[in-house]
Amino acid sequence: GEDVEQSLFLSVREGDSSVINCTYTDSSSTYLYWYKQEPGAGLQLLTYIFSNMDMKQDQRLTVLLNKKDKHLSLRIADTQTGDSAIYFCAERADSWGKFQFGAGTQVVVTP
Amino acid sequence: EPEVTQTPSHQVTQMGQEVILRCVPISNHLYFYWYRQILGQKVEFLVSFYNNEISEKSEIFDDQFSVERPDGSNFTLKIRSTKLEDSAMYFCASRAADQPQHFGDGTRLSIL
Repeated sequence: GEDVEQSLFLSVREGDSSVINCTYTDSSSTYLYWYKQEPGAGLQLLTYIFSNMDMKQDQRLTVLLNKKDKHLSLRIADTQTGDSAIYFCAERADSWGKFQFGAGTQVVVTP
Repeated sequence: EPEVTQTPSHQVTQMGQEVILRCVPISNHLYFYWYRQILGQKVEFLVSFYNNEISEKSEIFDDQFSVERPDGSNFTLKIRSTKLEDSAMYFCASRAADQPQHFGDGTRLSIL
């Protein structure tokens, strides 16, 4: 069945780059997404990538997609304390747009 | 920027009572969703809604749950006879065709 896996925790120093990894199982996924959740808040769309792309860059964010290995990563350059949050990887699982989410990666940025 | 809005932000209900969670999707969106996130767990899909009918639902979305778009702007999730295990954060989302889903800030539902 469909499954999305992420590592649960990442600690990074302010100013360094963060890399959050995600693997998925559904080879028919058309879009893959990264959402950010701050404490007590909703899910904020950060970026997404279409499955026929390998890479997408948006300011400090770089998404890499390895479709053969079903591996998605999110790189945050020059990580700031405001980047501390839970980051969710999600795949669009079917034509109706149902999302399958990973468990989320808690990113803690230390001074 | 347009937002998905959800009310209330926190709902406390006695077990066995009915609860209605409300959402106002972004106005030109056509696809609507409900998800839930039990504390410390994954965000789980409940139901998708398009053209005034359910397009897909998960096994969580049993006869206890229903959705409605009563007036062209609101999208509601009703839970009949709530159980303790219904306590969770419930997220509404909407999207336009071939666009990402936009989520509301969620309603925290606490069943006592």
